[in-house]
Amino acid sequence: AQTVTQSQPEMSVQEAETVTLSCTYDTSESNYYLFWYKQPPSRQMILVIRQEAYKQQNATENRFSVNFQKAAKSFSLKISDSQLGDTAMYFCAFMKHRGAQKLVFGQGTRLTINP
Amino acid sequence: DVKVTQSSRYLVKRTGEKVFLECVQDMDHENMFWYRQDPGLGLRLIYFSYDVKMKEKGDIPEGYSVSREKKERFSLILESASTNQTSMYLCATQGRLNQPQHFGDGTRLSIL
Repeated sequence: AQTVTQSQPEMSVQEAETVTLSCTYDTSESNYYLFWYKQPPSRQMILVIRQEAYKQQNATENRFSVNFQKAAKSFSLKISDSQLGDTAMYFCAFMKHRGAQKLVFGQGTRLTINP
Repeated sequence: DVKVTQSSRYLVKRTGEKVFLECVQDMDHENMFWYRQDPGLGLRLIYFSYDVKMKEKGDIPEGYSVSREKKERFSLILESASTNQTSMYLCATQGRLNQPQHFGDGTRLSIL
């Protein structure tokens, strides 16, 4: 079975700073997908970024980028030039490449961006 | 854009009641999922469905059942609600294999 661990329950940074959220996972699969989802106070779960395990290159979406270390089973999210609108719960999630395509989520990190 | 609509944003029910949570999607997606979200536990999969009338258990199916009579609608049923089922429930859809899932706004359910 797969597990996902987010070891930082809460984080807080000043606006415009850079922040990194940690995520580790455990799996015996060789091919899979990793995601970061954002859940603002409005509760809508929004996809932030997606990484395919067989791709060496780290995914990037504007101010959001990941550091994917497959051997270490680590998948951290970096938010550059943080904005007030980045305040949200952030979830790391794992999905197998084949078979049941359920998402396995971490516990979440509550990120607060202060003005 | 994918639209996933959950019938209620907030719901209050009593123990022992039969509770229905409805989820409707407008994108003709094959795959639909029900998760529950609890503080400190993240989201956990209750049931999912790959097609009409097809269902599979997730990680925490006890006390729940589901129904998918039409492709666009996936219902979660609490047969006899209990206080430990007080939680946030999120529905999600997936258009094709290996694509991200799209979520509804969630139903915050309280069982008194």
